[in-house]
Parts: sequence; C-alpha cells; structure tokens
Amino acid sequence: SYELTQPPSVSVSPGQTARITCSGDTLAKQYGFWYQQKPGQAPVVVIYKDTERPSGIPERFSGSSSGSTVTLTISAVQAEDEADYYCQSADSSGTYVFGLGTKVTVL
Amino acid sequence: QVQLQESGPGLVKPSETLSLTCTVSGGSISRSKYYWNWIRQSAGKGLEWIGRIYASGSTNFNPSLESRVTISVDTSKNQFSLKLNSVTAADTAVYFCAFGIDGFTPFDSWGQGTLVTVSS
Repeated sequence: SYELTQPPSVSVSPGQTARITCSGDTLAKQYGFWYQQKPGQAPVVVIYKDTERPSGIPERFSGSSSGSTVTLTISAVQAEDEADYYCQSADSSGTYVFGLGTKVTVL
Repeated sequence: QVQLQESGPGLVKPSETLSLTCTVSGGSISRSKYYWNWIRQSAGKGLEWIGRIYASGSTNFNPSLESRVTISVDTSKNQFSLKLNSVTAADTAVYFCAFGIDGFTPFDSWGQGTLVTVSS
C-alpha cells in the first residue's frame, strides 16, 4: 500500500481551477510539499509546509491542509502548468515519502 | 544560487556497485542548515528518497535501501557521493541529487538527474 494517495490524472480547461488532493495518515502530523515536474526535467517545489509558496512561483499556485489531506490548487490554469505534480511528506520514522504523482492535462 | 550536477557511469552491471557524485556550485556544501539528498525516479516506483547527508557527515537513509547505501561528503571538493551496492535491474532509474534546508523544504532545488541502467 502507498502512504500518500493522489489521483492519477486531472484535466482542466485554460483559465479554470485545478485541484489535486493528496491523502495519507502521516499528513495529519507532518507537513506536505508539492513538486511540479515537466518532461525531461527535475522536479521543482511549488508549495512547501502545506501552504507556503517559494519565491518565483506564480500566485496562482496555492496549498491547503485539512486533517490527513493536503490540496494543491492551481487557479486560472495556463498551458504551461501542464505537468506531473507530486506530493511529499515524511512518515513516522522520518523517511521522506512521495505520492505516485498526478498528471495535469490542460485541455 | 546553489546548483547541483550529478555525474557517474550510465551503465552498471548486475551485482556491482553504482557510484554517483553530485557537484555543488554557487555556494558552500558546508552551509548551515543545508543537507544533501539523493533521490531516484523509476517508472515502476515513482520518486524514492534514498538518503541524505549533512556537511558534518551525519546521515539518514530510507530503510528500504539502507543496507546497500553509502553516502559521503567531500567538503574540500564541494561534492557528495552515493554508492549503492549489489544492484539489480530494479535499481535502474534516473538519480537526482537535491539539497534541503532544515525547517523549510527537504528538496529545495534539484540537479538535472542522470539515468543509470543496470544491465549486463
């Protein structure tokens, strides 16, 4: 069984809002992080510590947390947001764990 | 801005040892609160954290790989390294190095990654 569960795919039209959830027991106690990965590139952190956005990341990216679920929201989606998105946290032993990723398709 | 670059053989034979080095530029590997990670990505298992090291030499590992992994740091060269022994085809993956910052994010910035194939 996987410790962090994400939907495999999300499709959204340009200008609409995409929401990606990530669920896992560890998220009730540990922070969640989100990474964007485009084909052939390394992941880039877009949200850290559940809700914080690094400098240089567009304001349309936001994060939230409730119980054992964290959510990445992309508002007013643009074509350039098409990518794989991974959530990440730490398990009870401090081992970093990743979700299997969600492919965001911009229609 | 700290940048990382992985280097090492792209092909390793089964049962042998995979060795990779990550060169850090744009900042000191001894920077306070920074730590240095190895992560891999394969089609079968997605992203998998391998382990991390501080400039002091303190390490933490993924229990699933701990028995086969060594991570070391060379502060004089601003590099850290990964050794994974007794490799099998299941170790074929893109290997990334990345740095984390205590209290902020575990994987703040990543290298571009290097593909390592295990095959005879």
